Amino acid sequence: DTAVSQTPKYLVTQMGNDKSIKCEQNLGHDTMYWYKQDSKKFLKIMFSYNNKELIINETVPNRFSPKSPDKAHLNLHINSLELGDSAVYFCASSQDRGYPETQYFGPGTRLLVL
Amino acid sequence: QKEVEQNSGPLSVPEGAIASLNCTYSDRGSQSFFWYRQYSGKSPELIMSIYSNGDKEDGRFTAQLNKASQYVSLLIRDSQPSDSATYLCAVILDNYGQNFVFGPGTRLSVLP
Repeated sequence: DTAVSQTPKYLVTQMGNDKSIKCEQNLGHDTMYWYKQDSKKFLKIMFSYNNKELIINETVPNRFSPKSPDKAHLNLHINSLELGDSAVYFCASSQDRGYPETQYFGPGTRLLVL
Repeated sequence: QKEVEQNSGPLSVPEGAIASLNCTYSDRGSQSFFWYRQYSGKSPELIMSIYSNGDKEDGRFTAQLNKASQYVSLLIRDSQPSDSATYLCAVILDNYGQNFVFGPGTRLSVLP
């Protein structure tokens, strides 16, 4: 049983397109995250939701819009994709914001923008 | 700017030796500290968390925290080739327990 799943695993698209990445967790966690890991392997937090409420919104272009329909799902929509958006995007969840040691990462979505 | 720094490596150690990984952070208000391991092409997985000054041991792993000097380290005893991976240091800056800041990672290679 996959704890944190992401779809798709790979995404190859053209500049200017709009794409979405979906994330689901079956751990019963209250907090979910989106991270970006660039080609230099630098892992950076983008967004964090706690019980569907946006808690962390780091400095990312407003072309990136997260949506949490319920606390088990956190999707990421990207408009007008740019070359610099190519990266691995990881979704993660944790039990609650008071339990960061329970953070568990999904397998990642490898996005390549041509 | 709040930063977490690590030597990028690669750090090479022979099998059976102790691997020592270091991390420094800039924000004195940092609350919580973590070490993640990431194999190539895989997602990060938590190895250790530490919240208080001193040492914390878990099997072959020991995390050490010194808040006065703003550094946290990870020791891996009896290193195995399977420990070869990138080790990411992470720090939580806020009181809400959510804003993780990761270091650039240190690549460890354990030579058989």
